[in-house]
Amino acid sequence: AQSVTQLGSHVSVSEGALVLLRCNYSSSVPPYLFWYVQYPNQGLQLLLKYTSAATLVKGINGFEAEFKKSETSFHLTKPSAHMSDAAEYFCAVSEAAAGNKLTFGGGTRVLVKP
Amino acid sequence: SAVISQKPSRDICQRGTSLTIQCQVDSQVTMMFWYRQQPGQSLTLIATANQGSEATYESGFVIDKFPISRPNLTFSTLTVSNMSPEDSSIYLCSAGARNEQFFGPGTRLTVL
Repeated sequence: AQSVTQLGSHVSVSEGALVLLRCNYSSSVPPYLFWYVQYPNQGLQLLLKYTSAATLVKGINGFEAEFKKSETSFHLTKPSAHMSDAAEYFCAVSEAAAGNKLTFGGGTRVLVKP
Repeated sequence: SAVISQKPSRDICQRGTSLTIQCQVDSQVTMMFWYRQQPGQSLTLIATANQGSEATYESGFVIDKFPISRPNLTFSTLTVSNMSPEDSSIYLCSAGARNEQFFGPGTRLTVL
């Protein structure tokens, strides 16, 4: 069965500082992995995805994530936080064996301090 | 990419009533799903909406409470039946394929 764990339900960063959001997954087969962002009172927007190609994935808004099979991790980073990055971020996994449905982590709320 | 719209965007309902949420995709998609996001929580899958057949429900969700229709490859509805305050949540529709799923803006439901 697939599962996702996001370490830290809340992260506070200063504007211009590194953003690091941690995600570990459990999957019986090579998974597809995703990061979504949810701004207040909005739906989910796809930031980036890993689909078994390059292990370092670049997404929108300057975010990137690295797939590390040995660590079963898919951490999300951004070198320099911007005030507009304040939002909730969700890591998710899908498996073909699970009907391609997404299983989400608990989410990490990012606060950016000026 | 696919653009997904949902109606209504929000509603306030009385307990014991039912609400039907519509999800429209701007292109034909193989998969459509319905998720629930309870206040301050992550997303939980309710069911996979199957075109031309009964939806596939996740553990803890039943058809009598959350009937789903999918008459074609671009449209689906979710009904929240016999509502109670515990049903107050955001309901999101998603669509796409294994390598990418897109989400609608969600329907924010409050049950009094």
